[in-house]
Amino acid sequence: DTGVSQDPRHKITKRGQNVTFRCDPISEHNRLYWYRQTLGQGPEFLTYFQNEAQLEKSRLLSDRFSAERPKGSFSTLEIQRTEQGDSAMYLCASSLAGGRRGSGNTIYFGEGSWLTVV
Amino acid sequence: DQQVKQNSPSLSVQEGRISILNCDYTNSMFDYFLWYKKYPAEGPTFLISISSIKDKNEDGRFTVFLNKSAKHLSLHIVPSQPGDSAVYFCAASAGTGANNLFFGTGTRLTVIP
Repeated sequence: DTGVSQDPRHKITKRGQNVTFRCDPISEHNRLYWYRQTLGQGPEFLTYFQNEAQLEKSRLLSDRFSAERPKGSFSTLEIQRTEQGDSAMYLCASSLAGGRRGSGNTIYFGEGSWLTVV
Repeated sequence: DQQVKQNSPSLSVQEGRISILNCDYTNSMFDYFLWYKKYPAEGPTFLISISSIKDKNEDGRFTVFLNKSAKHLSLHIVPSQPGDSAVYFCAASAGTGANNLFFGTGTRLTVIP
């Protein structure tokens, strides 16, 4: 399978604990994104990397959230001191930037990591 | 501020008929539009896209139409099949190197056998 893979798929944690999600993008893709989705909403952008550089962070990404992509391949998203409001599906996606003009930027998603904070 | 809107939260269609899902956007800088399909507990799956230099793009049973003056796009599925039952998200981005997509809230399509 050469798609975007995420681990774990499901995580239940107690409020106040730290959690970490891992994402392996499509191998030739240079961009990696993290999105969050809650029930009844579309995915919301959190942050993205081009290679190993984190180029943008949404205001949704509080200080308790940190993302890394140390070697420009896989990425981790850590949430510290989890709160019940962090319960959501965390989606990783990747794309190959630098396409021809007018080609747009098609982003391919993984299956998501469900987080439940109790 | 929701820049991409899907005003119909749900749609039911008989198998074999046409499904039409609608999407409106407010940002005139958007120039690339995508539709994603999502099953429960899975990530969105890319379906079809269209650039603002076109007004129609077709891929098998799926056709996306773009009306830039109305800031409106639609996804047509014909003929609809029960396996098409899912939540469909419209998304938009600004610029070829856009760093993120703006999503609508989704439309749940149910195709009745």
